[in-house]
Amino acid sequence: NAGVTQTPKFQVLKTGQSMTLQCAQDMNHNSMYWYRQDPGMGLRLIYYSASEGTTDKGEVPNGYNVSRLNKREFSLRLESAAPSQTSVYFCASKAGRTIPGELFFGEGSRLTVL
Amino acid sequence: AQSVTQLDSQVPVFEEAPVELRCNYSSSVSVYLFWYVQYPNQGLQLLLKYLSGSTLVKGINGFEAEFNKSQTSFHLRKPSVHISDTAEYFCAVNPSNAGGTSYGKLTFGQGTILTVHP
Repeated sequence: NAGVTQTPKFQVLKTGQSMTLQCAQDMNHNSMYWYRQDPGMGLRLIYYSASEGTTDKGEVPNGYNVSRLNKREFSLRLESAAPSQTSVYFCASKAGRTIPGELFFGEGSRLTVL
Repeated sequence: AQSVTQLDSQVPVFEEAPVELRCNYSSSVSVYLFWYVQYPNQGLQLLLKYLSGSTLVKGINGFEAEFNKSQTSFHLRKPSVHISDTAEYFCAVNPSNAGGTSYGKLTFGQGTILTVHP
């Protein structure tokens, strides 16, 4: 029972490099989310996708792009990484449009930008 | 807009002692309230939630939380903790009038690290 799978789990980038974080869920969920977790700040929403084909900005979207490839997959791209994007990134999914707050999270992707 | 404040960044306790993790929130509208737990090197998982009804909510692993609307608080409690409860705990809110896709747009607190000592 995989749930939400994120790759890679760890990544080190140099400033200006680009990379894509991959996320896939096998629970047939409609909605998917990308959060970042920073010490002392909790989790903050970067982007979300209500359903296949739609994406919307969250609280901290600057410097990121997303793609909802299909119902299962939701990727997060950093076009030109900056040290301020050093963080732990979590992908999450949610079943229905009428179920508040019950998110299922992946194990996280730890990104360091030098 | 909503905000969530977890009043303690770290809470050390001894095994079998009771614990309370405090959470206050601010919102101009009614909210749904959640507690998530993050074990080391894992993602977050839902511990319990308050949507409506009884203000005392029971969750997994013996945890419970009480919603206090007048004090805008949602404190998490456990009468007797175990070593395995060592984790980081997050309080989160979601506007109850958000609807649909906004039900996943949670506002999280800063987190409280609970460390249970033998």
